[in-house]
Amino acid sequence: AQTVTQSQPEMSVQEAETVTLSCTYDTSESDYYLFWYKQPPSRQMILVIRQEAYKQQNATENRFSVNFQKAAKSFSLKISDSQLGDAAMYFCASVPAAGNKLTFGGGTRVLVKP
Amino acid sequence: DSGVTQTPKHLITATGQRVTLRCSPRSGDLSVYWYQQSLDQGLQFLIQYYNGEERAKGNILERFSAQQFPDLHSELNLSSLELGDSALYFCASSLGRTSGNTIYFGEGSWLTVV
Repeated sequence: AQTVTQSQPEMSVQEAETVTLSCTYDTSESDYYLFWYKQPPSRQMILVIRQEAYKQQNATENRFSVNFQKAAKSFSLKISDSQLGDAAMYFCASVPAAGNKLTFGGGTRVLVKP
Repeated sequence: DSGVTQTPKHLITATGQRVTLRCSPRSGDLSVYWYQQSLDQGLQFLIQYYNGEERAKGNILERFSAQQFPDLHSELNLSSLELGDSALYFCASSLGRTSGNTIYFGEGSWLTVV
């Protein structure tokens, strides 16, 4: 079974600044995928970034990047140059490479101050 | 726009009733997943279909059932509804059998049971 833990219920960041969201996970699988999803007030789940566990290189998507520490089972998300539109709930999730079920963390709410 | 279409967007119904939620996956995607998001349980995997066949089952109640049709659209049937079934129900799709493929979520169907 996989578990995903997000220890920060809420984070606040000034517009144009950087914020880092924490995520730790536990899995017995040797190969798996990790994701960050954004859920704005509209409640839609939007894929932010995807990381393949067998790749050591950290994934990046524009202003979003991850710090993947496989040995520590840590997968943090950094949002650079924060914008008002980044305000949302962010969910970390994992899935075994041969599996079907995404396991989600409890989410972190990001507030962006103008 | 993720390309995953869900209907209806909002639904209010009484306890004991039955409802059907509909999902059209992204063009070309063969897997459809159903997730439930509630305040107390967070995001939970319910069930997955791949190319018309049930592929994986999660925390889906016996009162709930799903199917995927030959045109790949899927329906989630919820019966004998209880107040606790009030939640946001997401459909998601991916190309292959496993969630390691990038999985895209629809906008969700809000179900309120009164």
